[in-house]
Amino acid sequence: QQQVKQSPQSLIVQKGGISIINCAYENTAFDYFPWYQQFPGKGPALLIAIRPDVSEKKEGRFTISFNKSAKQFSLHIMDSQPGDSATYFCAASMWDGANNLFFGTGTRLTVIP
Amino acid sequence: DTEVTQTPKHLVMGMTNKKSLKCEQHMGHRAMYWYKQKAKKPPELMFVYSYEKLSINESVPSRFSPECPNSSLLNLHLHALQPEDSALYLCASSQDSGTGGADTQYFGPGTRLTVL
Repeated sequence: QQQVKQSPQSLIVQKGGISIINCAYENTAFDYFPWYQQFPGKGPALLIAIRPDVSEKKEGRFTISFNKSAKQFSLHIMDSQPGDSATYFCAASMWDGANNLFFGTGTRLTVIP
Repeated sequence: DTEVTQTPKHLVMGMTNKKSLKCEQHMGHRAMYWYKQKAKKPPELMFVYSYEKLSINESVPSRFSPECPNSSLLNLHLHALQPEDSALYLCASSQDSGTGGADTQYFGPGTRLTVL
């Protein structure tokens, strides 16, 4: 079963707009929530990550909002640029003798000029 | 430096060939991973090495054989692959301290494998 659910599957945003990607999880043992950005033919690159003891983390134009009680988290990309066009994966991770990472299904973001 | 390197970038092989993928990291990480990624899908975990010992094998067919010669290197030996094994193969590493919960996995650029 899918441990992390991600939506939308694809997203088209105008340059300068806000891109929002949502994720949800069920397993309360998850204690680390990274977001990865992947360009075609490249490996996933860590974009930003959060732990469940904080509700928000901001790095430049990228913000994670985290709602522990609802078991949901989201990525906001402010002032979206064409260079942000990529696939974004949310993920959830926990330690149970190994560092287990569970990916969402991915969101293909296209930012149009 | 959070760099994981992988060679080769591209590999084309026939179903009877034997080839190897290589991965290297110099971040002092003690866990290394192999993932397989098909187009428009998230990475799927294949193997995990922790402190140079195989700790997770996600029921991967025996035509894939991992090897961890030392804490910085990870290989994936390929033999008698099928066309459906064509994919992007990703290596990752993490600190894997075992304390303070899960930590970041850093991914390499991947090897694009095509099986004819």
